[in-house]
Amino acid sequence: RKEVEQDPGPFNVPEGATVAFNCTYSNSASQSFFWYRQDCRKEPKLLMSVYSSGNEDGRFTAQLNRASQYISLLIRDSKLSDSATYLCVVTPHTGTASKLTFGTGTRLQVTL
Amino acid sequence: GAGVSQSPSNKVTEKGKDVELRCDPISGHTALYWYRQRLGQGLEFLIYFQGNSAPDKSGLPSDRFSAERTGESVSTLTIQRTQQEDSAVYLCASSPVMVGEQFFGPGTRLTVL
Repeated sequence: RKEVEQDPGPFNVPEGATVAFNCTYSNSASQSFFWYRQDCRKEPKLLMSVYSSGNEDGRFTAQLNRASQYISLLIRDSKLSDSATYLCVVTPHTGTASKLTFGTGTRLQVTL
Repeated sequence: GAGVSQSPSNKVTEKGKDVELRCDPISGHTALYWYRQRLGQGLEFLIYFQGNSAPDKSGLPSDRFSAERTGESVSTLTIQRTQQEDSAVYLCASSPVMVGEQFFGPGTRLTVL
């Protein structure tokens, strides 16, 4: 079983739609969680951290379910510019630099 | 300020040749990471340097791969006797010691013919 699993997609949604991605992780000792965004042929960039209480940043909401070991990302009012691959990332450490484990990503394509 | 830089941006080599890939992290970042990303695949961890500690080499796929870091600055990833399956984008990232976010460079696209 992979340490971090994501549905590869692609998710094809029209502009303005709401879309949600889930990610499951196998290491119950995981402490820190992130969503990264990777545009085609570009490097990954941090989208948002995922906190235990859930957190929101504009149109983006991230949630963590430790009991079920999954993380979710909700994107409301999708824009064309949201088209990218979204990478789920976990690490067993908190507050320190450490090796991150990346999922293979979920591809989102927002269309007119 | 300046981000993570990598060179070369593209490298085409023949099977069996050695290659060196360079990474310049963000100034002041003590942690440096190398990843590999094959076409259409996720990021594969290779090696991690943290300050003066021994590097975590657990992700290096074979003894043909090695990496060095000079203090808390430049790092070089060396691949000896390259094989076609080494073709990938090699990404370097750095982070400050107490923060989880990693900042990635643009990568080096390696093609082994």
